[in-house]
Amino acid sequence: DTAVSQTPKYLVTQMGNDKSIKCEQNLGHDTMYWYKQDSKKFLKIMFSYNNKELIINETVPNRFSPKSPDKAHLNLHINSLELGDSAVYFCASSQDLGVGGELFFGEGSRLTVL
Amino acid sequence: QKEVEQDPGPLSVPEGAIVSLNCTYSNSAFQYFMWYRQYSRKGPELLMYTYSSGNKEDGRFTAQVDKSSKYISLFIRDSQPSDSATYLCAMNNAGNNRKLIWGLGTSLAVNP
Repeated sequence: DTAVSQTPKYLVTQMGNDKSIKCEQNLGHDTMYWYKQDSKKFLKIMFSYNNKELIINETVPNRFSPKSPDKAHLNLHINSLELGDSAVYFCASSQDLGVGGELFFGEGSRLTVL
Repeated sequence: QKEVEQDPGPLSVPEGAIVSLNCTYSNSAFQYFMWYRQYSRKGPELLMYTYSSGNKEDGRFTAQVDKSSKYISLFIRDSQPSDSATYLCAMNNAGNNRKLIWGLGTSLAVNP
């Protein structure tokens, strides 16, 4: 039974389109995250929600809009896709990072913008 | 200067070798230090976690933190082909406890 699942795993789309990625966790965690991993493997946090409340909002274009309908789900919608948005997007969850709490990652959603 | 520096490699070693992976950091407030392992086309998974300075051992893996030098290491003994992956260091401090700062990751290949 997958702990953090995200769909779709692969997305190929044209510049200017809008796309969404969905994430669900069945671990009962309070905090969920979206990370972007570029071609050089650098992991960059984008957003974090704790119990449906946005707590981390890094410098991300406002074309990216996260939504958390409940604490088990965190979706990412991207408007007007650009070439530079091509990356792997990872969803993650944790109970708490206060004591170095573990992040559980999904398998990633590989976005290619043509 | 990045907050966390990690040599991306790639590092290639023969099976059975001892592997040393390292990160340096600049923020003296960091207290929690983690190593994540990421297999190709998978998400990262926590391998080792250390609080403050010292050593921690788990099977073939040893994590070391030297806060005076702002330097952390991961040692892998008797490396196996199944250890081939990217190893990412990550760290944070109690004041900003939900935001991990990540290294670039080191790509390791263990050859049979």
